Amino acid sequence: DTEVTQTPKHLVMGMTNKKSLKCEQHMGHRAMYWYKQKAKKPPELMFVYSYEKLSINESVPSRFSPECPNSSLLNLHLHALQPEDSALYLCASSLLQGAGELFFGEGSRLTVL
Amino acid sequence: GNSVTQMEGPVTLSEEAFLTINCTYTATGYPSLFWYVQYPGEGLQLLLKATKADDKGSNKGFEATYRKETTSFHLEKGSVQVSDSAVYFCALSDAEGGSEKLVFGKGTKLTVNP
Repeated sequence: DTEVTQTPKHLVMGMTNKKSLKCEQHMGHRAMYWYKQKAKKPPELMFVYSYEKLSINESVPSRFSPECPNSSLLNLHLHALQPEDSALYLCASSLLQGAGELFFGEGSRLTVL
Repeated sequence: GNSVTQMEGPVTLSEEAFLTINCTYTATGYPSLFWYVQYPGEGLQLLLKATKADDKGSNKGFEATYRKETTSFHLEKGSVQVSDSAVYFCALSDAEGGSEKLVFGKGTKLTVNP
């Protein structure tokens, strides 16, 4: 199994809603990542977890709250988002942080109304 | 900090044409270099990589050579196909600050016409 699975594929939410994005991998990878990608732009790193501990937080606003319940799962909790937060949210994993090759999911496309 | 500069797109080619997408980097150490590809509606996939100077990465007919003297990692393919239409991202691994992460270029959109 070489897949990173993200759910949901599409999400529409209002600015007062609370929702979560989920990511799962069963490759035994110990590093997991959240990226944000706006249209026609490269992915921007948001968070890195290494061995289930937060390793990098790229000064992301607190309305985005990551969680890594175990080595296979990564969540991104969303609350009080703004329309400019609408984007494709990509989850990725790698064997170890710094191992180089990232395996990406297909992304969750978020629209904030 | 470390950075990656890619040629601006979009690039439009006919099938079987030769492809070059330029990528140069700025780094204080000796990063690993990568090309990722993003097909429409999908996430990114690793296309090829090189971990040290003079290494050549290759996959699916694509090649790139890690050139330390010119700080470059240009992507080439001798004969493109319609199925190669995608966005290509050059990236380097950045270990500044003690935590490695990938730094991406802005991406180059390639369209191959039949």
